[in-house]
Amino acid sequence: QVKLQESGPGRVKPSETLSLTCTISNVSLGISGHYWAWIRQPPRRGPEWIGSIYRSGATYYNPSLTSRVTMSVDTAKNQFSLKVASVTAADTAIYYCVRLGEEYQPLFHFDLWGQGRLVAVSA
Amino acid sequence: EIVLTQSPDTLSLFPGERATLSCRASETVNSRFLVWYQQRPGQPPRLLLHGASSRAAGIPDRFSGSGSGTDYTLTISSLQPEDFAVYYCQQYGTSLLTFGGGTKVEIK
Repeated sequence: QVKLQESGPGRVKPSETLSLTCTISNVSLGISGHYWAWIRQPPRRGPEWIGSIYRSGATYYNPSLTSRVTMSVDTAKNQFSLKVASVTAADTAIYYCVRLGEEYQPLFHFDLWGQGRLVAVSA
Repeated sequence: EIVLTQSPDTLSLFPGERATLSCRASETVNSRFLVWYQQRPGQPPRLLLHGASSRAAGIPDRFSGSGSGTDYTLTISSLQPEDFAVYYCQQYGTSLLTFGGGTKVEIK
């Protein structure tokens, strides 16, 4: 079955850039009609949608984060990535890569989740 | 931004009891775009219901959903040990996807 796996540093210093990668298994990113997304969940809080991306590189971002967020795809590696610039303690969260539940829909529910990567912002 | 407010924050019940969870939106949400997730400790959220009331694949029929407009409800008819978890609602009726703050269902 399709699997998602996040990777990247577990700690980032304030004001630096958080970088994470999601590796997709058992489906080709270059062929799939699904959008893919990043969601984060701060400790003891509800999830927050960061943005969605398509195989073409088309993106949709949360307006509250759009000035600091960049998402990209690498179809050759079957991966998509997230960068969050100028991080603060408020960016400390578990970051999940996810799949949107219907093809060609950037704004939908999420039917497949990675296990998550805890990223702590601290000096 | 559509704000989703879930209540109660915590629900303390015995196994076998019925759980009723609420999700209230700050403005009208098309029921087609309202979903529920379950999150067990240390796990990512799992899709439970989409379209407010349609169960996702593999979800037992003790889980049901209802509602329209600004008020939605998730009901668990008879709590099983594996159902004690946190539940989130989510909407995608606008260009900003939002989640509620969650309801924790704990064993009494």
